[in-house]
Amino acid sequence: AQSVTQLDSQVPVFEEAPVELRCNYSSSVSVYLFWYVQYPNQGLQLLLKYLSGSTLVKGINGFEAEFNKSQTSFHLRKPSVHISDTAEYFCAVSPQTGANNLFFGTGTRLTVIP
Amino acid sequence: DTGVSQDPRHKITKRGQNVTFRCDPISEHNRLYWYRQTLGQGPEFLTYFQNEAQLEKSRLLSDRFSAERPKGSFSTLEIQRTEQGDSAMYLCASGQNYGYTFGSGTRLTVV
Repeated sequence: AQSVTQLDSQVPVFEEAPVELRCNYSSSVSVYLFWYVQYPNQGLQLLLKYLSGSTLVKGINGFEAEFNKSQTSFHLRKPSVHISDTAEYFCAVSPQTGANNLFFGTGTRLTVIP
Repeated sequence: DTGVSQDPRHKITKRGQNVTFRCDPISEHNRLYWYRQTLGQGPEFLTYFQNEAQLEKSRLLSDRFSAERPKGSFSTLEIQRTEQGDSAMYLCASGQNYGYTFGSGTRLTVV
């Protein structure tokens, strides 16, 4: 079974400040890891994914995440946020075999304050 | 390629009615997924198709729910005898090689 924990339900941050959104997971099988962003009344857009290789993954819009296998974490970071980054962010895992469906966390609401 | 399309965007229905949603995936994607997202939660997996074959169903998918993907192209999700607890956003995603593209979803409100 897989589960994803996003430790912060809401994160307020001032514009141009750095931000870290935390994600921990548990799984009985090997998984791939993802971060998605969701704007109001829209679907989910992929920010980045970790399949293999370097544990530091760079994504769109200046975001990056680091996979830490020993801590089963995949935290998302951005060095300087913009107003347009205000959105809901979801961490997800997918088993490496089978249906490869995504298991999502409950989301973190990032609010960028001008 | 216009991404994943879902229709309708919004649906309001009375309790007990049947509703059907449509998803048009990216044409070259052989995998198609349906998810349900309730307010304040992440999406939850409902079912998965590889081409026209429905290969996996979540236990969330009660007997009132049925999904099809004829000819491995578009997919439909039908909910029979809707209940207020069915109110949610229904998301479709298609993908291959661990690249998943989501549609904008159908928001269902059961009154």
